[in-house]
Amino acid sequence: GAGVSQSPSNKVTEKGKDVELRCDPISGHTALYWYRQSLGQGLEFLIYFQGNSAPDKSGLPSDRFSAERTGGSVSTLTIQRTQQEDSAVYLCASSPGSLSTEAFFGQGTRLTVV
Amino acid sequence: AQSVTQPDIHITVSEGASLELRCNYSYGATPYLFWYVQSPGQGLQLLLKYFSGDTLVQGIKGFEAEFKRSQSSFNLRKPSVHWSDAAEYFCAVVLTGGGNKLTFGTGTQLKVEL
Repeated sequence: GAGVSQSPSNKVTEKGKDVELRCDPISGHTALYWYRQSLGQGLEFLIYFQGNSAPDKSGLPSDRFSAERTGGSVSTLTIQRTQQEDSAVYLCASSPGSLSTEAFFGQGTRLTVV
Repeated sequence: AQSVTQPDIHITVSEGASLELRCNYSYGATPYLFWYVQSPGQGLQLLLKYFSGDTLVQGIKGFEAEFKRSQSSFNLRKPSVHWSDAAEYFCAVVLTGGGNKLTFGTGTQLKVEL
């Protein structure tokens, strides 16, 4: 596609349920990031995929959070047993490679845990 | 710890006035530096970037930024602000010794008074 696509754009879920957020990066981009943006907060780094390297998971806030990237393209961020504090906008970004580091962002998924 | 700091959480300027948004980084080597803008309801858009060379870089929408190695700063400037510049601005760095992870500051919310 022309840009980074995220789905769904909005998700309301009940506390304790699992959710999956999807990111379709720009075709050919080898780097993919997930960030979380809470109300009035900056962008909190979650996880970074670069090619076939092991992902940098250092930003995942707990073991309820996981992400995978299949075939070096689509990525899914999974939050298990959601909590109210997980409510935020989850942003995905991709970039062409490790040295060309301009990142292109999707519109985000707004997650609300009720 | 390696970090990027935006000391001003909120800034208000009058339309037509000049603007400077501060960004400082804490890192042993020169990182790659970026400024992104997030307008209400919009995704993040790259304003400008610095990799090497001329320390004054020009970006879109009339913005510029100057890299000052001695001050570990990369401040964003605009000579005359327009009402449409009201948005949140994020400074970001790629820490090349940290697996090329893109790290964001906490952002500065710009309000423009007419």
